[in-house]
Amino acid sequence: EPEVTQTPSHQVTQMGQEVILRCVPISNHLYFYWYRQILGQKVEFLVSFYNNEISEKSEIFDDQFSVERPDGSNFTLKIRSTKLEDSAMYFCASNWGTGGEAFFGQGTRLTVV
Amino acid sequence: SQQGEEDPQALSIQEGENATMNCSYKTSINNLQWYRQNSGRGLVHLILIRSNEREKHSGRLRVTLDTSKKSSSLLITASRAADTASYFCATDPNAGGTSYGKLTFGQGTILTVHP
Repeated sequence: EPEVTQTPSHQVTQMGQEVILRCVPISNHLYFYWYRQILGQKVEFLVSFYNNEISEKSEIFDDQFSVERPDGSNFTLKIRSTKLEDSAMYFCASNWGTGGEAFFGQGTRLTVV
Repeated sequence: SQQGEEDPQALSIQEGENATMNCSYKTSINNLQWYRQNSGRGLVHLILIRSNEREKHSGRLRVTLDTSKKSSSLLITASRAADTASYFCATDPNAGGTSYGKLTFGQGTILTVHP
C-alpha cells in the first residue's frame, strides 16, 4: 500500500540552526501538507501546498518557515533559524484532492536544544 | 470550545468492552475524519464520513455524524488491548470552495484497553 515517508525520524539541532525536514508524498496525490504536534498537545496545521505554491498557511507558519517541492517526488519543510519552541513532531500529509482522506507520514521528531 | 473537541479526554476499559468517543465541532464541514495515534508514532487514518452521511462502518468501527448538533462519535466494538492509542477527530471545513483540505484536529481521547 502506498505511504507517505518522512526523513529523518528524529533530528536534534541547536537553537538558531536551519533544519530541513523531508517528505515523499504518495505519488499521485496533488495536495501536500505539513502539521506539527507539540508533545502532549493537539495536531496543528502549518501549511498546505498545491500546484507548486502555498495555498493556505496558519499563523504558526511565519517567515522562519518555508516549503518547497524541489522535484516531482520530494516535499520539504525548512525552518530557517530554529527556536526551542519549534521542538515538536512534524507530520507531512498528502491527499489526492480536497474532501478526501489525508494520508500522514510517521513524523519527524525535532528537538531543538 | 475549539473546533474538534473530543470527550472523554481519557477512557479506560476492559478487553471485549465497547469504547465510545465523541467529537464536537463549531463550523460547517465537508467531512470529518478519525485518526489513531500510537504513543509517539504517526497518524493512521481510520474512517472518513462526509457531511451528507449519518453513519459509516468499517470493521469494528462505527462512526456517526450529526451535523445539526455538530457532533460525531466513534464506537469501537469488542475492544482489544491493541486498540490502546489516542484517537483524534479532524474536520475538513466547508469554506465555500476555498478550502484546500486543511484539517483541524481535536485534543484527542486516550484509550486504554486492559487485557
